[in-house]
Amino acid sequence: EAGVAQSPRYKIIEKRQSVAFWCNPISGHATLYWYQQILGQGPKLLIQFQNNGVVDDSQLPKDRFSAERLKGVDSTLKIQPAKLEDSAVYLCASSHSGTSEVYNEQFFGPGTRLTVL
Amino acid sequence: GQQLNQSPQSMFIQEGEDVSMNCTSSSIFNTWLWYKQEPGEGPVLLIALYKAGELTSNGRLTAQFGITRKDSFLNISASIPSDVGIYFCAGNFNKFYFGSGTKLNVKP
Repeated sequence: EAGVAQSPRYKIIEKRQSVAFWCNPISGHATLYWYQQILGQGPKLLIQFQNNGVVDDSQLPKDRFSAERLKGVDSTLKIQPAKLEDSAVYLCASSHSGTSEVYNEQFFGPGTRLTVL
Repeated sequence: GQQLNQSPQSMFIQEGEDVSMNCTSSSIFNTWLWYKQEPGEGPVLLIALYKAGELTSNGRLTAQFGITRKDSFLNISASIPSDVGIYFCAGNFNKFYFGSGTKLNVKP
């Protein structure tokens, strides 16, 4: 089966500019996650969707970050305006949803490496 | 929020040696996952653990879910050069939390 797709793979912008990332999860996966991974650290959850609804966005800097998953399939994450500290890899992951424990298994895309100058 | 302490931060070993790394948390988790990440790629799931005390193997990899539900370890036996990468633990209790990673270097 096809994996999680993300684009672009790389993006370089200047501070105060806007940027958007796109993610297409594995077919049939109802749950979608966006993570921020700063160099040398583990991924940090930004937002979790269940179908097209937000389950958790407690760590999303809502003054500048936004995300949507309008049709419950693919998703976009936007930063507006970008700051230097937003330089990181943005990872998208997906999983099945349900009560069975196997639904905890997340599968990651290759990520988008963002550099803010 | 939850803190996952992963150790060691990095390891330099000789090909053929065994490797052990672990994660500890101040809170309990329902699930422990172990991932490997290579440069320019997203993390790849290696092993998933669902029950306290569970011991699971995947080839040369073995992981255990601690009986207190606050820790987990990953062992790699007979390491090979392609084992090089960063290994992350992740715990789940309503939300996923990741450790800071163990960078593994294997010298041929």
